[in-house]
Amino acid sequence: AQRVTQPEKLLSVFKGAPVELKCNYSYSGSPELFWYVQYSRQRLQLLLRHISRESIKGFTADLNKGETSFHLKKPFAQEEDSAMYYCALFTSGNTGKLIFGQGTTLQVKP
Amino acid sequence: DAGITQSPRHKVTETGTPVTLRCHQTENHRYMYWYRQDPGHGLRLIHYSYGVKDTDKGEVSDGYSVSRSKTEDFLLTLESATSSQTSVYFCAIKGTGNGEQYFGPGTRLTVT
Repeated sequence: AQRVTQPEKLLSVFKGAPVELKCNYSYSGSPELFWYVQYSRQRLQLLLRHISRESIKGFTADLNKGETSFHLKKPFAQEEDSAMYYCALFTSGNTGKLIFGQGTTLQVKP
Repeated sequence: DAGITQSPRHKVTETGTPVTLRCHQTENHRYMYWYRQDPGHGLRLIHYSYGVKDTDKGEVSDGYSVSRSKTEDFLLTLESATSSQTSVYFCAIKGTGNGEQYFGPGTRLTVT
């Protein structure tokens, strides 16, 4: 079964602390994974994709096929990182469909 | 914002009434999607469209229908709204890369 699991509904950290948002997936093929973010009163937007191995706003995510994980990390959290984060799995094919996890709210306290 | 708008942005309706939500895009994208966002469930795909008059069901399609009579508009209809359909509804279009989607601002629907 194709599934994305984000085990934490809420992650609360202090400014400057490291952040790790967990994401695990279940997929029989070769996965393509993404992180989307929704800041307060803004649209959901793509944060990063594993294939490009990029770092956006200081966030990185490494695909670990052995552990079927794609955790999102940032060494030093900022207050502006407070948002809802969704991990998403691209199910191959032309339809472009995504399977989203349940979402994790990141709260960065001053 | 990839030229995506949704209307209405907020709606309160009574159980049993029909409701239609509209997604409008200005950039001629072929693929469009409707999601609902609920706490603890994240985003779930309701229906999607891969062209004019071409639609297919998503994960949670029961109680919903869609129509796409022209490229720019994708309508989501709740034939007889129920309280379980109280949610935030998002429309999205497919971007150029795999897994890349651009989202509308959302419609908050409350069914009383």
